[in-house]
Amino acid sequence: QKEVEQDPGPLSVPEGAIVSLNCTYSNSAFQYFMWYRQYSRKGPELLMYTYSSGNKEDGRFTAQVDKSSKYISLFIRDSQPSDSATYLCAVNDYKLSFGAGTTVTVRA
Amino acid sequence: KAGVTQTPRYLIKTRGQQVTLSCSPISGHRSVSWYQQTPGQGLQFLFEYFSETQRNKGNFPGRFSGRQFSNSRSEMNVSTLELGDSALYLCASSLDASGGTYEQYFGPGTRLTVT
Repeated sequence: QKEVEQDPGPLSVPEGAIVSLNCTYSNSAFQYFMWYRQYSRKGPELLMYTYSSGNKEDGRFTAQVDKSSKYISLFIRDSQPSDSATYLCAVNDYKLSFGAGTTVTVRA
Repeated sequence: KAGVTQTPRYLIKTRGQQVTLSCSPISGHRSVSWYQQTPGQGLQFLFEYFSETQRNKGNFPGRFSGRQFSNSRSEMNVSTLELGDSALYLCASSLDASGGTYEQYFGPGTRLTVT
């Protein structure tokens, strides 16, 4: 069983829509959860970092962790074409374990 | 503050050769981790170095090795290259002030093609 499961999409939305991305993880001991954004032919960029359960907001981005259901979410409000990228969720103990990544396209 | 840098950015090697990739972490960061990214397997952890010591290792064969220098710069080496080693190799650094490796910042990667 993979440590992190993520639907690879792809996901296509019109500009201004809310993008909703989700992952599940297998080990209830995980405490640190990340979302990375990766543009084509670039390295992953850390977007959000959450410890334990709860919500964290940063501008148009909101990360949620529900440890009871082992569910991680990322919401992007008022999506822009520049948000078109692959979004990777990750859990961290001594290393990062990544989901497969969801490719998002925001249509102008 | 400068980000993580990796050299070279692109590399083409022949099967059976060996290759060395270099990573310079963010200034002040002491932990360096390496990852392999392929379309089929995604991002996979190779190993992590802290204070010139390999602290953690992923499930890769012994052909993959690394080291860290006293200035925290790191190198990884792949010997006897195979076609399946073609991938984007990513280096990530973290501050690791508390003993964990939580917020990891990635470099642009080295794209290795094995022919």
